[in-house]
Amino acid sequence: EVQLVESGGALVQPGGSVRLSCAASGFAFNTSWMNWVRQAPGKGLEWVANIKEDGSEIYYVDSVKGRFTVSRDNTENSLYLQMNSLRAEDTAVYYCARRYDFWSGYNYYYYMDVWGKGTTVTVSS
Amino acid sequence: DIQMTQSPSSLSASVGDRVTIACRPSQSISNYLNWYQHKPGKAPKLLIYAASRLQSGVPSRFSGSASWTDFTLTISSLQPEDSATYFCQQTYSPRWTFGQGTEVEIK
Repeated sequence: EVQLVESGGALVQPGGSVRLSCAASGFAFNTSWMNWVRQAPGKGLEWVANIKEDGSEIYYVDSVKGRFTVSRDNTENSLYLQMNSLRAEDTAVYYCARRYDFWSGYNYYYYMDVWGKGTTVTVSS
Repeated sequence: DIQMTQSPSSLSASVGDRVTIACRPSQSISNYLNWYQHKPGKAPKLLIYAASRLQSGVPSRFSGSASWTDFTLTISSLQPEDSATYFCQQTYSPRWTFGQGTEVEIK
């Protein structure tokens, strides 16, 4: 079964740090771009970051650049999100999701087809 | 970053109604547009990718279309289990963005 399971969510004080993990199973993790997406309470979905199969390309939403670091360990089939200098506005459910690349015959199209159930990070004093 | 504007932000409709949700990007994104359904406490679910392609296993009452500047998600006959929030998402630029969501309520 194709599966993603996040862990590591916690209650953290402002300015603190936490590391999220995402364990993948049932598919070739080392051939998939991976993403982190979050949803703050009462808000919509926000794409946070993604990382190429070999970790050579990484992109972040502006609001986390310089504070969050995404990484992966293909030998462990795991994705990580190191979150530093946390702010109240980082409070959210964090999801990891697999990027799927669809070839239309003319172009590649990308979408997130497998998602974890999420892990909650609460930043509060 | 590319901004995605959805409308309406919420709607209430009856079972069997035809429902449409619009999504407008701040710049051209070709057909790099996906639609997701999200229910509280669950993982988001992909409905439509590449603007109009139905994800495997998704009921055929869901469809997506594109005009010159806008994208539309249509539910042809609303069902009770369609109560959820729907998000569009662009994957044209490396930094992906979502619309703000449309909450669909069943009357």
